[in-house]
Parts: sequence; structure tokens; C-alpha cells
Amino acid sequence: DAKTTQPTSMDCAEGRAANLPCNHSTISGNEYVYWYRQIHSQGPQYIIHGLKNNETNEMASLIITEDRKSSTLILPHATLRDTAVYYCIVNYSGAGSYQLTFGKGTKLSVIP
Amino acid sequence: DAMVIQNPRYQVTQFGKPVTLSCSQTLNHNVMYWYQQKSSQAPKLLFHYYDKDFNNEADTPDNFQSRRPNTSFCFLDIRSPGLGDAAMYLCATSKSGLGSYEQYFGPGTRLTVT
Repeated sequence: DAKTTQPTSMDCAEGRAANLPCNHSTISGNEYVYWYRQIHSQGPQYIIHGLKNNETNEMASLIITEDRKSSTLILPHATLRDTAVYYCIVNYSGAGSYQLTFGKGTKLSVIP
Repeated sequence: DAMVIQNPRYQVTQFGKPVTLSCSQTLNHNVMYWYQQKSSQAPKLLFHYYDKDFNNEADTPDNFQSRRPNTSFCFLDIRSPGLGDAAMYLCATSKSGLGSYEQYFGPGTRLTVT
């Protein structure tokens, strides 16, 4: 079973920041938080990951609470192309392979 | 560009007729995964290869098999497809080692069983 809880759907106005929450209250100390997204009829795409600290890359920012029980993915200026299902995944990633257990995700609709 | 390629993108097979889906990668990643995604559901891991070592998920039906003849290629064989096996099949790769956290997905093969 997925270890995360996400809202089923969200809307965001084009050009505004999209803030996607995720609860992972049973996260272990060595587990990372991953975010992937899946645009309709495409394979999932990696966005960002983090362990404890906030992270930022060219696509998004990831804010993790101090107790690590929840996180928020921020798309700073949402565009229509950001309409997708966003998956928050918690898993351990050591030096080997790792399995992604996808939950239901959040369907983000960016509205013109 | 380095990528994960899946062929064909769409596959139609008959009930009970064996079918093979293929995946190739130019990333030189040592780990390859197969996921099944049914309509309106999240992807579900079937199995993965860590180098040549095959790792099956506990609830993957015996009807699903896989082969990895070399680093670049991986095949998904469905021995006797049923109507319930109609789905999108996604191949992904990753590189093992510290600092490697991303899985790269192909576009998927949509399988229809008639």
C-alpha cells in the first residue's frame, strides 16, 4: 500500500503557483520523498526528491516539514502543460534498485 | 538524446495468444523495471532487473515473464493474455549507486486484448 495521502484533484490558475500537499506520517528516517508526474498518455516523469531539507530544481520546489510527516510540491508559475497527475512517493533509496509504489496521486488541472 | 524506447506503442493481441513487449534504453542504466497501469489507476510494479538479477513482485501473476538479454534491452512476455491484462505497460530504468534516485520512464505500450 502507498504510504502517502494526497488530495484527489486540484485546480490552479495559469501563471499562479501550484501547491500540492502530501501527507506521509509513517515515513522512516531513511526514506526519501519523491515526486513524479504523469501527463495524459505518457510515462511518469521524475520531478524532484528530498530527505530532510527543502529542495529546488528547474521544475519545482519541495518543502518538507521539520517532522517530515508532510511535504508540499510547488510549481512556481503553472502553465497549461503542467496539467497532469502528480504522485508523491515515499521510499528508501540506497545504492541499489528501488521500487516506486504509486498511490492515487493528485490530478492537477491548470486553468487558463 | 538518451532515452527509454518502447515498441510498439500500441499492441493488439487475441485472448490467450502470447505477446511480447520490448523496451530498449540508451542510458546505460543497470536497473530496468516493468510496470502495469490499468485505466484510471496508478502504475504498479511487476518486476525489475538489477543487472542480470531478476526480482519479481510477490503478487505478479505467473502469466507475466521477462527477459533481459543485455544491458540495453528488456522484454515483457505475457504467455496467455486475458481480458484483464489490457493495460498500459511502462518500462523504466535507473542507475544504481549513491546519488542515483531518478527512474526514467518510456512512453509505454498500450495493450488491447480482444
